[in-house]
Amino acid sequence: GAVVSQHPSRVICKSGTSVKIECRSLDFQATTMFWYRQFPKQSLMLMATSNEGSKATYEQGVEKDKFLINHASLTLSTLTVTSAHPEDSSFYICSARGRGTEAFFGQGTRLTVV
Amino acid sequence: AQKVTQAQTEISVVEKEDVTLDCVYETRDTTYYLFWYKQPPSGELVFLIRRNSFDEQNEISGRYSWNFQKSTSSFNFTITASQVVDSAVYFCALSGGGADGLTFGKGTHLIIQP
Repeated sequence: GAVVSQHPSRVICKSGTSVKIECRSLDFQATTMFWYRQFPKQSLMLMATSNEGSKATYEQGVEKDKFLINHASLTLSTLTVTSAHPEDSSFYICSARGRGTEAFFGQGTRLTVV
Repeated sequence: AQKVTQAQTEISVVEKEDVTLDCVYETRDTTYYLFWYKQPPSGELVFLIRRNSFDEQNEISGRYSWNFQKSTSSFNFTITASQVVDSAVYFCALSGGGADGLTFGKGTHLIIQP
């Protein structure tokens, strides 16, 4: 299957700082990218959907000013957690879909805010 | 709205036993896709199967098999002759296709004891 690379796999940051997570499609053009969040021992919840070159669509209850999503190219989307707080600690995972293809998941990023 | 229910929070069996993970879904879409993913402790999602709503054929892949029944809105997953390496959290998910993200169930934690 297609490869989606997510970086970093783990990050620890101080409360109040911002963290950027990258999601890259390595061997296909990702027209749509999705960002999910997973709290410990819970399910994955869709946070937002982004199409290349346009603004992301956020799910209800997700603060767009806190979780900035950029999908500037067909191979890269970034999620920036701004002014992170301990309650933002979670597992974030992206998936990418090309035209006519299914979505492939990245490896995930475990964010810990201290 | 879409919904996926995995009623079994945790299942524990002894190695070599067969085990079935249940998944019931709700959707108003006439075209939709159903998925199963495996999530080992490392966190990455391992794709197992995708089924579209027009294909009710059961599928077998090695020790894995899936039973899709539209009449009961169920998409159950059976592992035959379970092995310790099958221990993981298994998620059932639903998508309306197109630019839709996935709606996940809460997951079933499968423990295979040696």
